[in-house]
Amino acid sequence: GAGVSQSPSNKVTEKGKDVELRCDPISGHTALYWYRQSLGQGLEFLIYFQGNSAPDKSGLPSDRFSAERTGGSVSTLTIQRTQQEDSAVYLCASGVNNEQFFGPGTRLTVL
Amino acid sequence: TQLLEQSPQFLSIQEGENLTVYCNSSSVFSSLQWYRQEPGEGPVLLVTVVTGGEVKKLKRLTFQFGDARKDSSLHITAAQPGDTGLYLCAGASSGDKLTFGTGTRLAVRP
Repeated sequence: GAGVSQSPSNKVTEKGKDVELRCDPISGHTALYWYRQSLGQGLEFLIYFQGNSAPDKSGLPSDRFSAERTGGSVSTLTIQRTQQEDSAVYLCASGVNNEQFFGPGTRLTVL
Repeated sequence: TQLLEQSPQFLSIQEGENLTVYCNSSSVFSSLQWYRQEPGEGPVLLVTVVTGGEVKKLKRLTFQFGDARKDSSLHITAAQPGDTGLYLCAGASSGDKLTFGTGTRLAVRP
């Protein structure tokens, strides 16, 4: 069956540019999460959507980061005015009953 | 802020050896999960433990949740090269939000 998909798989951008990362969750999953992972380390929580509730944005590192989830399905993570320290793998997961299923991630490189 | 510390951070062993990875916190979790991540992929859920003292076995992998639900361990018997990867523990407290551990990178040499 279809899992979580993310696009693009790789993104190289110049410092100061805006980027949009997309996540297509598993159909029927009400929860959607964004994480950031640097150099194969642990996952840093960014934002969490659950159904129609207001998203938990407590992990967003700055106001340059934002995310939306349209129609309770597809989500977009936007990073404005990218900085070199934003370089990382951005992982999306969808879930139900506390179990999370991850996409392959988007590797972002800011030059 | 809840923190989950994993140890060791890196582990390189020979095929056939046994190993244990630890996941420790000062916080209590309602459940704890273990994931394995391979290069270029997202983490994959291995197991969820929910009861203090619970032990779950998955082939050569044994997972234990501490009695106080603050810590967990993963034991691998007779490791194989296919076990190579990044192992992550993750604790659930309120709602569906998980706190991930710092990760243990395992390399099993043939």
